Amino acid sequence: SQTIHQWPATLVQPVGSPLSLECTVEGTSNPNLYWYRQAAGRGLQLLFYSVGIGQISSEVPQNLSASRPQDRQFILSSKKLLLSDSGFYLCAWSRAGGPGQYFGPGTRLTVT
Amino acid sequence: RKEVEQDPGPFNVPEGATVAFNCTYSNSASQSFFWYRQDCRKEPKLLMSVYSSGNEDGRFTAQLNRASQYISLLIRDSKLSDSATYLCVVNPKDSGGSNYKLTFGKGTLLTVNP
Repeated sequence: SQTIHQWPATLVQPVGSPLSLECTVEGTSNPNLYWYRQAAGRGLQLLFYSVGIGQISSEVPQNLSASRPQDRQFILSSKKLLLSDSGFYLCAWSRAGGPGQYFGPGTRLTVT
Repeated sequence: RKEVEQDPGPFNVPEGATVAFNCTYSNSASQSFFWYRQDCRKEPKLLMSVYSSGNEDGRFTAQLNRASQYISLLIRDSKLSDSATYLCVVNPKDSGGSNYKLTFGKGTLLTVNP
Protein backbone atom coordinates (compact mmCIF):
# COMPACT_ATOMS: atom_id res chain seq x y z
CA SER A 1 0.00 0.00 0.00
CA GLN A 2 1.01 3.59 -0.52
CA THR A 3 2.00 5.94 2.27
CA ILE A 4 2.96 9.58 2.26
CA HIS A 5 5.15 11.24 4.83
CA GLN A 6 5.73 14.88 5.65
CA TRP A 7 8.05 16.54 8.09
CA PRO A 8 8.27 18.37 10.27
CA ALA A 9 4.77 18.18 11.73
CA THR A 10 4.95 21.65 13.22
CA LEU A 11 7.34 24.53 12.71
CA VAL A 12 7.70 28.01 14.16
CA GLN A 13 9.99 30.28 12.18
CA PRO A 14 10.80 34.00 12.36
CA VAL A 15 10.05 36.33 9.47
CA GLY A 16 12.90 36.37 6.99
CA SER A 17 14.18 32.90 7.80
CA PRO A 18 14.45 30.11 5.20
CA LEU A 19 12.08 27.17 4.92
CA SER A 20 12.38 23.59 3.76
CA LEU A 21 9.51 21.13 4.00
CA GLU A 22 9.89 17.60 2.76
CA CYS A 23 7.42 15.06 1.46
CA THR A 24 8.06 11.47 0.43
CA VAL A 25 5.78 8.82 -0.98
CA GLU A 26 6.23 5.06 -0.64
CA GLY A 27 4.66 2.19 -2.48
CA THR A 28 4.14 3.75 -5.89
CA SER A 29 6.17 4.87 -8.87
CA ASN A 30 6.00 8.06 -10.91
CA PRO A 31 3.24 9.68 -8.88
CA ASN A 32 1.94 13.17 -9.50
CA LEU A 33 2.86 15.28 -6.46
CA TYR A 34 1.23 18.41 -5.11
CA TRP A 35 1.81 21.11 -2.50
CA TYR A 36 -1.22 22.85 -1.00
CA ARG A 37 -1.62 25.50 1.65
CA GLN A 38 -4.63 25.88 3.90
CA ALA A 39 -4.77 29.17 5.74
CA ALA A 40 -6.89 29.48 8.87
CA GLY A 41 -10.58 29.44 7.94
CA ARG A 42 -9.89 29.15 4.25
CA GLY A 43 -9.97 26.48 1.59
CA LEU A 44 -7.08 24.53 0.13
CA GLN A 45 -4.93 26.45 -2.30
CA LEU A 46 -2.80 24.53 -4.79
CA LEU A 47 0.74 25.93 -4.77
CA PHE A 48 2.73 23.56 -7.00
CA TYR A 49 2.35 20.28 -8.79
CA SER A 50 4.81 17.92 -10.44
CA VAL A 51 4.32 15.15 -12.97
CA GLY A 52 7.92 13.94 -12.90
CA ILE A 53 11.45 14.49 -11.63
CA GLY A 54 12.51 18.08 -12.18
CA GLN A 55 9.08 19.07 -13.56
CA ILE A 56 7.39 21.72 -11.45
CA SER A 57 4.35 23.83 -12.24
CA SER A 58 3.54 26.84 -10.11
CA GLU A 59 -0.04 27.85 -9.56
CA VAL A 60 0.30 31.14 -7.70
CA PRO A 61 3.01 33.79 -7.56
CA GLN A 62 4.68 33.83 -4.18
CA ASN A 63 8.01 33.63 -2.42
CA LEU A 64 7.88 29.84 -2.31
CA SER A 65 9.51 27.34 -4.62
CA ALA A 66 9.30 23.59 -5.07
CA SER A 67 11.70 20.92 -6.26
CA ARG A 68 11.46 17.24 -7.06
CA PRO A 69 14.96 15.78 -6.89
CA GLN A 70 13.75 12.16 -6.85
CA ASP A 71 10.69 10.36 -8.15
CA ARG A 72 8.98 10.15 -4.78
CA GLN A 73 10.39 13.22 -3.05
CA PHE A 74 8.90 16.69 -3.17
CA ILE A 75 10.37 19.69 -1.37
CA LEU A 76 8.83 23.08 -0.63
CA SER A 77 11.25 25.92 0.07
CA SER A 78 11.52 29.60 0.74
CA LYS A 79 14.53 31.85 1.06
CA LYS A 80 12.75 34.39 3.29
CA LEU A 81 9.47 33.71 5.04
CA LEU A 82 6.70 36.28 5.33
CA LEU A 83 4.04 36.46 8.02
CA SER A 84 1.49 35.59 5.34
CA ASP A 85 3.25 32.25 4.77
CA SER A 86 1.75 30.88 7.98
CA GLY A 87 -0.63 28.02 7.38
CA PHE A 88 -1.13 24.30 7.09
CA TYR A 89 1.02 22.87 4.27
CA LEU A 90 -0.17 19.66 2.75
CA CYS A 91 1.58 17.39 0.30
CA ALA A 92 -0.53 15.06 -1.81
CA TRP A 93 0.04 12.39 -4.43
CA SER A 94 -2.04 10.85 -7.17
CA ARG A 95 -1.61 8.25 -9.85
CA ALA A 96 -0.99 9.80 -13.27
CA GLY A 97 -4.58 9.30 -14.38
CA GLY A 98 -6.20 7.96 -11.27
CA PRO A 99 -9.16 9.10 -9.24
CA GLY A 100 -8.42 11.56 -6.50
CA GLN A 101 -5.47 12.75 -4.49
CA TYR A 102 -4.17 11.44 -1.19
CA PHE A 103 -2.78 13.77 1.41
CA GLY A 104 0.07 13.54 3.86
CA PRO A 105 -0.36 14.53 7.52
CA GLY A 106 0.70 18.12 6.85
CA THR A 107 3.07 20.66 8.39
CA ARG A 108 1.64 23.42 10.51
CA LEU A 109 3.85 26.50 9.95
CA THR A 110 3.70 29.60 12.10
CA VAL A 111 5.78 32.57 11.02
CA THR A 112 6.41 35.01 13.87
CA ARG B 1 -19.87 32.36 -9.54
CA LYS B 2 -17.32 30.52 -7.42
CA GLU B 3 -15.69 27.45 -8.96
CA VAL B 4 -17.02 25.18 -6.21
CA GLU B 5 -19.64 26.40 -3.79
CA GLN B 6 -20.94 24.53 -0.77
CA ASP B 7 -23.55 25.09 1.92
CA PRO B 8 -21.84 27.37 4.42
CA GLY B 9 -23.04 25.39 7.46
CA PRO B 10 -22.30 24.62 10.19
CA PHE B 11 -24.68 21.71 10.60
CA ASN B 12 -25.49 20.45 14.08
CA VAL B 13 -27.50 17.23 14.13
CA PRO B 14 -28.36 14.56 16.71
CA GLU B 15 -27.03 11.03 16.41
CA GLY B 16 -29.10 8.97 14.03
CA ALA B 17 -30.17 11.93 11.92
CA THR B 18 -29.92 12.09 8.15
CA VAL B 19 -27.95 15.03 6.82
CA ALA B 20 -27.44 16.23 3.27
CA PHE B 21 -24.69 18.39 1.85
CA ASN B 22 -25.03 20.22 -1.44
CA CYS B 23 -22.44 21.59 -3.79
CA THR B 24 -22.46 23.39 -7.12
CA TYR B 25 -19.62 23.86 -9.58
CA SER B 26 -19.14 26.39 -12.34
CA ASN B 27 -17.04 24.55 -14.93
CA SER B 28 -19.37 22.51 -17.09
CA ALA B 29 -16.41 20.60 -18.54
CA SER B 30 -15.46 19.18 -15.13
CA GLN B 31 -14.77 15.49 -15.32
CA SER B 32 -14.31 14.03 -11.86
CA PHE B 33 -15.99 14.72 -8.57
CA PHE B 34 -15.21 13.73 -5.01
CA TRP B 35 -16.17 14.20 -1.41
CA TYR B 36 -13.38 14.49 1.15
CA ARG B 37 -13.67 14.74 4.91
CA GLN B 38 -11.28 16.70 7.07
CA ASP B 39 -11.07 16.29 10.82
CA CYS B 40 -10.00 19.27 12.90
CA ARG B 41 -6.32 20.06 12.32
CA LYS B 42 -5.85 16.96 10.16
CA GLU B 43 -5.35 16.31 6.47
CA PRO B 44 -8.31 15.85 4.09
CA LYS B 45 -9.14 12.22 3.38
CA LEU B 46 -10.90 10.93 0.30
CA LEU B 47 -14.36 9.81 1.32
CA MET B 48 -15.79 8.79 -2.02
CA SER B 49 -15.82 9.55 -5.70
CA VAL B 50 -19.08 10.72 -7.25
CA TYR B 51 -20.41 9.10 -10.39
CA SER B 52 -23.18 10.16 -12.72
CA SER B 53 -25.20 7.09 -11.83
CA GLY B 54 -24.92 7.88 -8.13
CA ASN B 55 -23.03 5.68 -5.72
CA GLU B 56 -23.43 4.42 -2.22
CA ASP B 57 -20.94 3.30 0.40
CA GLY B 58 -22.64 2.10 3.54
CA ARG B 59 -24.42 5.05 5.14
CA PHE B 60 -23.07 7.48 2.54
CA THR B 61 -24.71 8.23 -0.79
CA ALA B 62 -23.28 10.61 -3.38
CA GLN B 63 -25.10 11.94 -6.41
CA LEU B 64 -24.13 14.03 -9.41
CA ASN B 65 -26.39 16.06 -11.68
CA ARG B 66 -24.31 17.23 -14.61
CA ALA B 67 -27.12 19.24 -16.17
CA SER B 68 -27.52 21.30 -13.00
CA GLN B 69 -23.80 21.12 -12.12
CA TYR B 70 -24.79 19.90 -8.70
CA ILE B 71 -23.29 17.32 -6.35
CA SER B 72 -24.73 15.98 -3.12
CA LEU B 73 -23.71 13.82 -0.20
CA LEU B 74 -26.25 12.14 2.06
CA ILE B 75 -25.28 10.65 5.40
CA ARG B 76 -27.84 8.37 7.01
CA ASP B 77 -27.95 7.30 10.65
CA SER B 78 -25.19 9.78 11.52
CA LYS B 79 -22.61 8.82 14.15
CA LEU B 80 -20.56 10.95 16.50
CA SER B 81 -17.52 9.93 14.44
CA ASP B 82 -19.03 11.59 11.36
CA SER B 83 -18.29 15.00 12.91
CA ALA B 84 -15.87 16.66 10.50
CA THR B 85 -15.68 19.17 7.68
CA TYR B 86 -16.91 17.80 4.36
CA LEU B 87 -15.21 19.12 1.25
CA CYS B 88 -16.73 19.05 -2.22
CA VAL B 89 -13.98 18.61 -4.81
CA VAL B 90 -14.06 18.95 -8.58
CA ASN B 91 -11.47 18.11 -11.21
CA PRO B 92 -11.85 20.57 -14.08
CA LYS B 93 -10.88 19.25 -17.47
CA ASP B 94 -7.36 20.02 -18.60
CA SER B 95 -5.45 19.32 -21.79
CA GLY B 96 -3.66 16.35 -20.27
CA GLY B 97 -6.86 14.69 -19.19
CA SER B 98 -5.28 13.85 -15.87
CA ASN B 99 -6.47 14.69 -12.42
CA TYR B 100 -4.33 17.76 -11.84
CA LYS B 101 -5.65 20.80 -10.13
CA LEU B 102 -8.47 19.62 -7.98
CA THR B 103 -10.63 22.54 -6.94
CA PHE B 104 -11.81 22.34 -3.35
CA GLY B 105 -14.87 23.90 -1.85
CA LYS B 106 -14.41 25.63 1.48
CA GLY B 107 -16.18 22.82 3.25
CA THR B 108 -19.17 22.38 5.50
CA LEU B 109 -18.65 21.65 9.18
CA LEU B 110 -20.81 18.88 10.59
CA THR B 111 -21.19 18.26 14.30
CA VAL B 112 -23.12 15.19 15.39
CA ASN B 113 -24.35 15.51 18.96
CA PRO B 114 -25.13 12.69 21.42
